[in-house]
Amino acid sequence: QKEVEQNSGPLSVPEGAIASLNCTYSDRVSQSFFWYRQYSGKSPELIMSIYSNGDKEDGRFTAQLNKASQYVSLLIRDSQPSDSATYLCAVIPYNNNDMRFGAGTRLTVKP
Amino acid sequence: GAVVSQHPSWVICKSGTSVKIECRSLDFQATTMFWYRQFPKQSLMLMATSNEGSKATYEQGVEKDKFLINHASLTLSTLTVTSAHPEDSSFYICSAPSGRRSGTDTQYFGPGTRLTVL
Repeated sequence: QKEVEQNSGPLSVPEGAIASLNCTYSDRVSQSFFWYRQYSGKSPELIMSIYSNGDKEDGRFTAQLNKASQYVSLLIRDSQPSDSATYLCAVIPYNNNDMRFGAGTRLTVKP
Repeated sequence: GAVVSQHPSWVICKSGTSVKIECRSLDFQATTMFWYRQFPKQSLMLMATSNEGSKATYEQGVEKDKFLINHASLTLSTLTVTSAHPEDSSFYICSAPSGRRSGTDTQYFGPGTRLTVL
């Protein structure tokens, strides 16, 4: 089992819709979770971090964490064509400092 | 957020030569930095953890004699690809955690270095 798993996609949504990206992780005691966005040919940029169960909202983005289910998600409201990118889920295992990435989900927002 | 720079942003070299890539944390100190490699349409793969003042820790399958890492100061780590071959052509990205507290620090990425070995 991979440490961090994501649906590779591609996920396609129309402009203005809600895009839902999902991620599961294997290390039950992981404590830190991140979503990064990566445009083609560029390095990842941080969207959000989440550490506690529940929802965390930042603008059009909402991260959701459920540690019991070992599940973290990212919702993008009012999706824009500029949101088209690969979204990487990342997890820091317990008492560690390196980050483990999922394979990424490619999102396309169609005008 | 914190700023991490990389140099060069791209490099083309002949097979058999060595290439050095620099990673700098510009507005914070980093006792640890990470080096990743990403092939086209694939995810980031952690290559090694660079530790200031001590030896780097390499991931399984990464040749430490081929990918030399030196963490010379609290703001600089270098990756040298020795005797590069075409299969080493990839996108190399470094990152650094923003703080000193293990386990929760956000990592900030450099812009990456695209290496092409002819």
